[in-house]
Amino acid sequence: DAGVTQSPTHLIKTRGQQVTLRCSPKSGHDTVSWYQQALGQGPQFIFQYYEEEERQRGNFPDRFSGHQFPNYSSELNVNALLLGDSALYLCASATASPTGNSPLHFGNGTRLTVT
Amino acid sequence: QQQVKQSPQSLIVQKGGISIINCAYENTAFDYFPWYQQFPGKGPALLIAIRPDVSEKKEGRFTISFNKSAKQFSLHIMDSQPGDSATYFCGGTSYGKLTFGQGTILTVHP
Repeated sequence: DAGVTQSPTHLIKTRGQQVTLRCSPKSGHDTVSWYQQALGQGPQFIFQYYEEEERQRGNFPDRFSGHQFPNYSSELNVNALLLGDSALYLCASATASPTGNSPLHFGNGTRLTVT
Repeated sequence: QQQVKQSPQSLIVQKGGISIINCAYENTAFDYFPWYQQFPGKGPALLIAIRPDVSEKKEGRFTISFNKSAKQFSLHIMDSQPGDSATYFCGGTSYGKLTFGQGTILTVHP
């Protein structure tokens, strides 16, 4: 049973460019969330997708956008990259629940470096 | 607004000892409190979790103690092993949004 898979594992981009990161949730999961983890910090919530819609959003600018596909996979897009966007981007999946508090399963992330 | 404060930042324990990591939260809407373990180059992995209507939960060598009135909870790792050396994150969840603490780097010496 495959867990959460993310691609690519590493990425180097230049300031001002755009990037797309991809995530396939754990089998049986229908909710996908994205987190940004700066070096030495805890992950920060970016947004959550369920039924192909953004359900919740953290304190991130509109440069960060996402999408969820009918097969529950998801993409994170970041436009106009800044040096400060360099981080590990984590995807997490879960099964939908009335309280929204099913355990989150994380992938191993995409390491984005902006030069 | 920092909603989950975690301490200590780093912890060194001898093999066989007890590791204790503490967290305090501000958001009373949190209704699920997980602990995650993260190894270098890997994503966080769920270790153990508790709901606020329970004061203690034990799974193997790992125990969460929860004090709802004080808005504090802690992770105890009994008989700590070198393989437990990792970064540990506490968190609070509200409607699927998980807020993490800053993390504790645990080193267990053989």
